[in-house]
Amino acid sequence: SQTIHQWPATLVQPVGSPLSLECTVEGTSNPNLYWYRQAAGRGLQLLFYSVGIGQISSEVPQNLSASRPQDRQFILSSKKLLLSDSGFYLCARGGHPNTGELFFGEGSRLTVL
Amino acid sequence: AQSVSQHNHHVILSEAASLELGCNYSYGGTVNLFWYVQYPGQHLQLLLKYFSGDPLVKGIKGFEAEFIKSKFSFNLRKPSVQWSDTAEYFCAVSPASGSARQLTFGSGTQLTVLP
Repeated sequence: SQTIHQWPATLVQPVGSPLSLECTVEGTSNPNLYWYRQAAGRGLQLLFYSVGIGQISSEVPQNLSASRPQDRQFILSSKKLLLSDSGFYLCARGGHPNTGELFFGEGSRLTVL
Repeated sequence: AQSVSQHNHHVILSEAASLELGCNYSYGGTVNLFWYVQYPGQHLQLLLKYFSGDPLVKGIKGFEAEFIKSKFSFNLRKPSVQWSDTAEYFCAVSPASGSARQLTFGSGTQLTVLP
């Protein structure tokens, strides 16, 4: 089966601290990977997507960055967190063929204090 | 760019009531349409999808949705809801020739089913 692991599941960080959220995909090779942020009442906002190792596209300017060091690993990072970075972050992979269908991980809830 | 509107932010129903959640989109071309569901404590998952063909599509757990092209709508329905249907529901649209990168989500509808 194809599984998406995200960790940590929850994280509480002070303003100005760094961030690293990890996403690992099992059961498929060369997936398209995505980072979304889900805000209450605002749906899902695409932050980054990647079509392969080292290939990252940013959809919105922000305090966050992403990296893909391995085919099945996608990392969301920040050097200095802001209060506005609080939210629920979802990693997803695209289906095959690439029709718009997505498969999601269980998410990481970040609270910045 | 496309956009998606879900007009109901929170819907509360009693068990066995019928459900219809509205979804309207704006886009000038052919689209792929999706409904995703997020049950409490679980990951977001696909409920049903429309790519082409029969505009009435059936998904898991007795859900169905009808694509009405003239109304730019893709409403989700279920004849009789259960307590276990309590969840947040998201409508999404992408250009038919596009990819998941171009997927646009609505703001979601929280459904609460009272036992």
